Amino acid sequence: GNSVTQMEGPVTLSEEAFLTINCTYTATGYPSLFWYVQYPGEGLQLLLKATKADDKGSNKGFEATYRKETTSFHLEKGSVQVSDSAVYFCALSDRAGGYQKVTFGIGTKLQVIP
Amino acid sequence: DAGITQSPRHKVTETGTPVTLRCHQTENHRYMYWYRQDPGHGLRLIHYSYGVKDTDKGEVSDGYSVSRSKTEDFLLTLESATSSQTSVYFCAISEGSGRSAGELFFGEGSRLTVL
Repeated sequence: GNSVTQMEGPVTLSEEAFLTINCTYTATGYPSLFWYVQYPGEGLQLLLKATKADDKGSNKGFEATYRKETTSFHLEKGSVQVSDSAVYFCALSDRAGGYQKVTFGIGTKLQVIP
Repeated sequence: DAGITQSPRHKVTETGTPVTLRCHQTENHRYMYWYRQDPGHGLRLIHYSYGVKDTDKGEVSDGYSVSRSKTEDFLLTLESATSSQTSVYFCAISEGSGRSAGELFFGEGSRLTVL
């Protein structure tokens, strides 16, 4: 079956540091890939997505490129802020039977310190 | 923001009691999902619905049942709560097709503690 692998963290960075959160996946078909973000006490919200190989998703300074050859979708940001502190989930979506199945990684907690 | 409301937001109950969590949407989305979130496990799908009265099991469905009698409401029931069901439960909705396939909109979560 499909699976998503990412480190749990926490990842601790100083403000303005460069961020990379690695995500690799296993899928039998041609999935769409997503990053979701969860701020404390809230539900998840979509951060960015890519629907086919070599697509780059971007939003709020974050970006990730769909790499089919390495089955990866790493999240990057050039300069993090304290307000970026949250849990980040990598996910893939693929058609499975009668519905669009979404598989999540375990989430990576990011802490940004001033 | 997608209109999704979960209730109750917090609940403490005792082992063996029944519990029902409600998810209400105002977006008229076809697909609705119940997930649980636990440390070290991320989000795991409990049940999902692809239409009124159309539901199916996810990967951790044991001990849970669901019902969807109206497009806007999706109920999750724990018939006899156990301590292992202490978790944060999230409802999500999706259009489920086209360019937005796979995009989920989440509620704010319901924190359940089973003593």
